[in-house]
Amino acid sequence: GAGVSQTPSNKVTEKGKYVELRCDPISGHTALYWYRQSLGQGPEFLIYFQGTGAADDSGLPNDRFFAVRPEGSVSTLKIQRTERGDSAVYLCASSPPGRAGELFFGEGSRLTVL
Amino acid sequence: EDKVVQSPLSLVVHEGDTVTLNCSYEVTNFRSLLWYKQEKKAPTFLFMLTSSGIEKKSGRLSSILDKKELFSILNITATQTGDSAVYLCAGVRQGGSEKLVFGKGTKLTVNP
Repeated sequence: GAGVSQTPSNKVTEKGKYVELRCDPISGHTALYWYRQSLGQGPEFLIYFQGTGAADDSGLPNDRFFAVRPEGSVSTLKIQRTERGDSAVYLCASSPPGRAGELFFGEGSRLTVL
Repeated sequence: EDKVVQSPLSLVVHEGDTVTLNCSYEVTNFRSLLWYKQEKKAPTFLFMLTSSGIEKKSGRLSSILDKKELFSILNITATQTGDSAVYLCAGVRQGGSEKLVFGKGTKLTVNP
């Protein structure tokens, strides 16, 4: 497709379970970002990839969160031992070369931890 | 820690009104300020401002940056119901990480 694609759009899980959220960026976009957004808040930075490597993972809240982008395209955000506080919309965005800051966001994955 | 503060947090106006949304920032080694519109889920890019005092315009929307006073405004003239959305402001540093630091947003409601 033409836009950033995120799956699943909704995920309900139980506390303590493992979840994976997938992001397929726009073709040709080298930069990929993960953000987390809670109700009434702006997006909160989690991690940024330039190509295959995590250029900045300073926003990951703790070691239960991990993200990969093995081939420089699709990325997976992995959350272990989920907690109720992890409930949020997880937004992925990509950015074309030379246009840093101009992010193209996906529709997000809404995670609910019961 | 970098910080972006938006005001007001919410605003209700009638169609045809003009609105001004505010964004102040404290960003180390500041490079740019960006505005996004979030209607339902995915924020969409509006403007990137890097230079002080130069207005960027797109239709009824315009924005300007003041790097001395560390703020930006987003103006919307002749508002329409379709302008109802959350408007997000974000700052980004020079060099290194390209992470954007967002404010909480201003929720604009335009009533017919």
